[in-house]
Amino acid sequence: DAGVTQSPTHLIKTRGQQVTLRCSPISGHKSVSWYQQVLGQGPQFIFQYYEKEERGRGNFPDRFSARQFPNYSSELNVNALLLGDSALYLCASSLLWQGFNTGELFFGEGSRLTVL
Amino acid sequence: DQQVKQNSPSLSVQEGRISILNCDYTNSMFDYFLWYKKYPAEGPTFLISISSIKDKNEDGRFTVFLNKSAKHLSLHIVPSQPGDSAVYFCAASGGGADGLTFGKGTHLIIQP
Repeated sequence: DAGVTQSPTHLIKTRGQQVTLRCSPISGHKSVSWYQQVLGQGPQFIFQYYEKEERGRGNFPDRFSARQFPNYSSELNVNALLLGDSALYLCASSLLWQGFNTGELFFGEGSRLTVL
Repeated sequence: DQQVKQNSPSLSVQEGRISILNCDYTNSMFDYFLWYKKYPAEGPTFLISISSIKDKNEDGRFTVFLNKSAKHLSLHIVPSQPGDSAVYFCAASGGGADGLTFGKGTHLIIQP
């Protein structure tokens, strides 16, 4: 069975541009979460979506937005990119919206964004 | 302010010996704790978890200990194997809508 898939795997943008990252969850999983991992830090929670509704939001500015589609895939959008947005963006899926409590949170390989 | 702290950026252990990774937390609302393992160019993978109502959870070579009064948890790997070389993240959850809070990670190196 396919795991969590993310695209693109790598991309380079310049300051002020906008970026869209995509995520397909494991088949049957209805919850998708997004995390940002800056070099040398642990992943930091950005959003969680369950059944197409936002269920949680981390401490990120409004330049960050996301949505979940009827097929449970998700997009993360970041507007007006800053140098500090350079990071690995991880998508994770789970069957239930609180699946992360029991460790049933499965991560993709991430999309590495470089902002120049 | 970091709510989950892993104070050892790296740890080197000889193959066959015990590896002990430590984690401290400050938020008393956390009630689930998890360890994730990450290889380069891969996403983190779940290793083991523990609920705050327990003080120990074991899964094969991996055991997690929780000391609530000290707000401290540790991961023991016995015996350590070369494939255990990876970055280990401690994570915590309050069960609400705030997702997981991760530490900065500890790079475990198993030496032959």
